[in-house]
Amino acid sequence: AQKVTQAQTEISVVEKEDVTLDCVYETRDTTYYLFWYKQPPSGELVFLIRRNSFDEQNEISGRYSWNFQKSTSSFNFTITASQVVDSAVYFCALPEDNAGNMLTFGGGTRLMVKP
Amino acid sequence: DAGITQSPRYKITETGRQVTLMCHQTWSHSYMFWYRQDLGHGLRLIYYSAAADITDKGEVPDGYVVSRSKTENFPLTLESATRSQTSVYFCASSLDDEQFFGPGTRLTVL
Repeated sequence: AQKVTQAQTEISVVEKEDVTLDCVYETRDTTYYLFWYKQPPSGELVFLIRRNSFDEQNEISGRYSWNFQKSTSSFNFTITASQVVDSAVYFCALPEDNAGNMLTFGGGTRLMVKP
Repeated sequence: DAGITQSPRYKITETGRQVTLMCHQTWSHSYMFWYRQDLGHGLRLIYYSAAADITDKGEVPDGYVVSRSKTENFPLTLESATRSQTSVYFCASSLDDEQFFGPGTRLTVL
C-alpha cells in the first residue's frame, strides 16, 4: 500500500517568515501523482496542486512553491512570506491507483501563522 | 448549484441509532468516496464507488454501509452508531485524477 508521512504535526511561525512543510511518500508505482490540499479553519478541503512524477521541476504559484525530489521520495511545500490567512492544516496525498481515484493522505501539518 | 453537497452538515445522535449521511454531486463523476477525519489520523477512506451499483471497501469500512443506485448520490449509513464513529465525514467525487470534496458532516455520537 502507499504511504504518506508528514512528520511535522504542527508548525508555528510569525507572519512574513518562510515555512516549508515536509512530505515523504512510499509507493510501489513508477509513475504517480502527488497532491497537496489545504484545510482552513472553516473545514473545507481545498485543492492546491497535483504533480506528475514525470515532472521534477519545481512549481511556483505566487507565494507557494513545491519541491519534488523523486530520489528522496519527497514533495515539500514552501510558503514564502507567510500570512495569517495561510493558517490551516495542510495535507499531502498520494493515489492508491494510477488514476488518482483513491487517495492516501498524510496525517497533516497544522500551520499557525501569528501576526 | 453545481458541485458536491453533503447533508446534514451537523448531526448529533445516540449510540445504537441508525444514521444516514447524504452526498450529492452534480458533475456526473464516476468515482465517489467517503472519508472520515479524526485528530491524529488525517483522512481515512471508508468506502468508494467506481460507478453506480459498484462499491468497495476502503481502509476503515467496519460499521458502515453504502449504496449507489444513482451516479449522483452516494449515501453512507451507520447501521448502529458507536461513539468511536464520532468524526467529521467528507464525501468526494473524482474526475480523472483530481478529487473534489464536499463541505463535510460533523457527526457526534453520544
